[in-house]
Amino acid sequence: EPEVTQTPSHQVTQMGQEVILRCVPISNHLYFYWYRQILGQKVEFLVSFYNNEISEKSEIFDDQFSVERPDGSNFTLKIRSTKLEDSAMYFCASSEAVYSLETQYFGPGTRLLVL
Amino acid sequence: SQQGEEDPQALSIQEGENATMNCSYKTSINNLQWYRQNSGRGLVHLILIRSNEREKHSGRLRVTLDTSKKSSSLLITASRAADTASYFCATAYSGAGSYQLTFGKGTKLSVIP
Repeated sequence: EPEVTQTPSHQVTQMGQEVILRCVPISNHLYFYWYRQILGQKVEFLVSFYNNEISEKSEIFDDQFSVERPDGSNFTLKIRSTKLEDSAMYFCASSEAVYSLETQYFGPGTRLLVL
Repeated sequence: SQQGEEDPQALSIQEGENATMNCSYKTSINNLQWYRQNSGRGLVHLILIRSNEREKHSGRLRVTLDTSKKSSSLLITASRAADTASYFCATAYSGAGSYQLTFGKGTKLSVIP
């Protein structure tokens, strides 16, 4: 069964460093998302992406964050200058269609620790 | 803002018993989805129920939706130790151009063998 994959599974970085989290969505999906979950808290929406542009973003998704689909398969989240509070599990998700807002399939997550 | 809020926050039952988790939300929705998360792992989609549906089944799962009360319930019948996980409801807003899912805090289910 097709699934969303994410790399790396874990990343440790120093505060102020740039990180890139990578995702490979399900191949025939058109809509891509990033969410994050701070330890012990809710899963929070960051951004949605369609047709090579951001379609929606939350207040969390400030200028330090960016997303890109550099080729036909990868979808990346970049954090330019990490802060301690960026430590979280980051989930990528994809969905086949937006009409009737079909199921979003989530990847296994990347656990980011900022020291 | 719309929020899915589950209750109870934690539930402990014996294997074979049924587990019921509830979710409430605040605004109009297009659909409501339930996800499971094993400790520290990814989110696994369980079931989606649309705003014009009242009940849906999938295996041992039964989901109900009451849009007048803005609430949903997830029933897991004949629970197994492997059902031990956190369960989250997530709502998809019905407003134009909004595709985000809003998650609740989750119910932590423990099934004791």
